[in-house]
Amino acid sequence: DAGVTQSPTHLIKTRGQHVTLRCSPISGHKSVSWYQQVLGQGPQFIFQYYEKEERGRGNFPDRFSARQFPNYSSELNVNALLLGDSALYLCASSLGVTGDSGYTFGSGTRLTVV
Amino acid sequence: LAKTTQPISMDSYEGQEVNITCSHNNIATNDYITWYQQFPSQGPRFIIQGYKTKVTNEVASLFIPADRKSSTLSLPRVSLSDTAVYYCLVGVDYNTDKLIFGTGTRLQVFP
Repeated sequence: DAGVTQSPTHLIKTRGQHVTLRCSPISGHKSVSWYQQVLGQGPQFIFQYYEKEERGRGNFPDRFSARQFPNYSSELNVNALLLGDSALYLCASSLGVTGDSGYTFGSGTRLTVV
Repeated sequence: LAKTTQPISMDSYEGQEVNITCSHNNIATNDYITWYQQFPSQGPRFIIQGYKTKVTNEVASLFIPADRKSSTLSLPRVSLSDTAVYYCLVGVDYNTDKLIFGTGTRLQVFP
């Protein structure tokens, strides 16, 4: 079985641009969460989606948005990119809305804003 | 949510046992303790989870004293491939079910 897949693996954007990151959860997993990890820090929660509905949002500006599709895949969108948005963006999937069954993370998308 | 405190970094040599201790003084009664491992440019990977006493799996052991205010991750006979960052997590945010990561412990294993 494929694990959590994220695309692209790396990308470089210019300040002010928009970016879309994609995540496919493990087959059968209905919950997708997004985390931002800047260098030297632990991952910070951005969003959680379950059954296509937002179930939680971290302390991030409105420039960050996300959605989940009927096949449970998800997109994270970031508008008006800032240099400080440079980070590893991680997607995690779980079977249900809570993490009782455990979370599985993808390898992330490395975003560099120049 | 219980705040966790771990050493920033640790060094070890191949074949040694490594113990990483995490302090969580205000752990709640229903909080579990979970450890994740993260390699560079990869997502965190679940290692072990426990509530009290001792838990062991094929990768590690987790020791939790009776007062549950700390926990120790034990990695037996580490190898170079165990070089990674190890995160101790306690509980989840039950409103959002988010995981709360600290800065973790950076373990460096030398030959």
